[in-house]
Amino acid sequence: AQKVTQAQTEISVVEKEDVTLDCVYETRDTTYYLFWYKQPPSGELVFLIRRNSFDEQNEISGRYSWNFQKSTSSFNFTITASQVVDSAVYFCALRIYTGFQKLVFGTGTRLLVSP
Amino acid sequence: DTEVTQTPKHLVMGMTNKKSLKCEQHMGHRAMYWYKQKAKKPPELMFVYSYEKLSINESVPSRFSPECPNSSLLNLHLHALQPEDSALYLCASSQDRASGGSRGETQYFGPGTRLLVL
Repeated sequence: AQKVTQAQTEISVVEKEDVTLDCVYETRDTTYYLFWYKQPPSGELVFLIRRNSFDEQNEISGRYSWNFQKSTSSFNFTITASQVVDSAVYFCALRIYTGFQKLVFGTGTRLLVSP
Repeated sequence: DTEVTQTPKHLVMGMTNKKSLKCEQHMGHRAMYWYKQKAKKPPELMFVYSYEKLSINESVPSRFSPECPNSSLLNLHLHALQPEDSALYLCASSQDRASGGSRGETQYFGPGTRLLVL
């Protein structure tokens, strides 16, 4: 199966708390790509990160960090010192190739950061 | 510049109307996509254009008709829609080399058109 699971439907935190969004994937491909997108209430899907299956290094970008572990098929996303502007729905996605490129999205995690 | 633009932002139409959604990108991307997103759901792929040719139609009803006039523009023509077609319609683009090349190009999304069918 080619599948992405985001088990956390909704998370509520208070500003300045750290929060981790979980993503577990299933794929039969040996080469694959994983993505995180942010969707604020305005609706636009904002690209955050792309990671390929050969690169297991963790990545940090400002308050955002990603932990990719092939052994557990997980690609988790942590926001440090959360802010109200981080409130959004976050989607994890797997790129599959079946003659054309297709994104398989997880169901999304809604993050609500309160002041 | 990773901008994809979509017009209109909001659209209300009756079931007998004909309308069009427009999408434009100037990143030199050769693949463009239409997605439909219902509330509290992830986006669902509708159509894929690669090098201005329709590559994929994900079993979308014929009341949705895509068009790619050139490599920068993508339209979605709407006719005789049903209330259940009310949704956020997202356009995306990626570099997407038609054969060979990297298979991991990122899809960049526009802000979407919120469609309400009455």
